[in-house]
Amino acid sequence: GAGVSQSPSNKVTEKGKDVELRCDPISGHTALYWYRQSLGQGLEFLIYFQGNSAPDKSGLPSDRFSAERTGGSVSTLTIQRTQQEDSAVYLCASNKDRGRGTYGYTFGSGTRLTVV
Amino acid sequence: AQSVTQLDSQVPVFEEAPVELRCNYSSSVSVYLFWYVQYPNQGLQLLLKYLSGSTLVKGINGFEAEFNKSQTSFHLRKPSVHISDTAEYFCAVSLSYNTDKLIFGTGTRLQVFP
Repeated sequence: GAGVSQSPSNKVTEKGKDVELRCDPISGHTALYWYRQSLGQGLEFLIYFQGNSAPDKSGLPSDRFSAERTGGSVSTLTIQRTQQEDSAVYLCASNKDRGRGTYGYTFGSGTRLTVV
Repeated sequence: AQSVTQLDSQVPVFEEAPVELRCNYSSSVSVYLFWYVQYPNQGLQLLLKYLSGSTLVKGINGFEAEFNKSQTSFHLRKPSVHISDTAEYFCAVSLSYNTDKLIFGTGTRLQVFP
């Protein structure tokens, strides 16, 4: 596609439920990144994929968080047993290849997750 | 570990006035420095970057930033702002040998008033 697409744009869920957030990167981009933007905390790196592999998942905050990427394209970030502190905007970005951060990333508009 | 500090969470300014958004970083190894801008309901967009060479770098929309190694700063400036510059601005660093992970500051909300 023309840009990075994320869905849903907004998600309200009850505490304890599982949620799935989707990211569709720019066609042909092999590198895909997830960040979390919490109120007053800036953006935190969560995980990145090169193809279907995740060389760095050091930012996932707990084992309730997982992510996968299939077919080298769409990625899904899953949060199990959501907690109120998971409320944030989850941003996805993509790049032509890993190691090209100096050229900038293309970010999606994010998914705003609210846990009530 | 690396860290980025943006001391000003909000900066109000009148149109056509100059503005400076402050960014300080901490790192024991070589880093690259970036400024990203996030307009309302849009994704982040790269504004400018410092990799090496001249410490004054120019970006899009008339913004520029100066890398100061001794003060570990990378302040963003614009001599005359427009209403359309109203947005959230994020300073970020990456390790020079690993650009697949950005460490962001908490952001500065620039509000331009007519």
